Amino acid sequence: AQKITQTQPGMFVQEKEAVTLDCTYDTSDPSYGLFWYKQPSSGEMIFLIYQGSYDQQNATEGRYSLNFQKARKSANLVISASQLGDSAMYFCAMPLANTGNQFYFGTGTSLTVIP
Amino acid sequence: GAVVSQHPSRVICKSGTSVKIECRSLDFQATTMFWYRQFPKQSLMLMATSNEGSKATYEQGVEKDKFLINHASLTLSTLTVTSAHPEDSSFYICSGAMSSRTYEQYFGPGTRLTVT
Repeated sequence: AQKITQTQPGMFVQEKEAVTLDCTYDTSDPSYGLFWYKQPSSGEMIFLIYQGSYDQQNATEGRYSLNFQKARKSANLVISASQLGDSAMYFCAMPLANTGNQFYFGTGTSLTVIP
Repeated sequence: GAVVSQHPSRVICKSGTSVKIECRSLDFQATTMFWYRQFPKQSLMLMATSNEGSKATYEQGVEKDKFLINHASLTLSTLTVTSAHPEDSSFYICSGAMSSRTYEQYFGPGTRLTVT
């Protein structure tokens, strides 16, 4: 069965420091994608970054990067130079196998950036 | 980027009444729309998937007669919570996906429903 695991319910980071949010997954699909979303207290889901399983390089988008280790089935989000506005819930997600676009979300990590 | 709106953003209703939530894709055609439910401090749980012009596909455990979904056009889907009860109070989020990029979902800002 498909599964996404986020083992850190809450994380704290000092402003301007880097932080890594963990995500491990399990899937039988040979081709898959992994997504990270940010959900601030206002509730909207903000797309951050995408990693395809066959992508040769780790995805990067500005201060966000993915530490994708396929053999370990992990896709950790790295946020560099944390800002106060990064305080939010972060969800790892992947499409369910054979559906193409139905997402399964992890339980999320609450990140608090400390000034 | 693609924009999805939801209306209303907050609604309070009395137990036994019905509430309709609209989800609109503003600058793209959403061939598929998804409805999620999120309880406080929890993850998003997919309730149903709807394709334009077709009946919605509901996830296991979601009552289709209670949560009526209509996807009448490529830019509009509605979720009607019928005979709402306090346990239906939750944050409801919709998302849309284009046929050309089905793996990308664009989320609406969510609707907070409180049933008193």
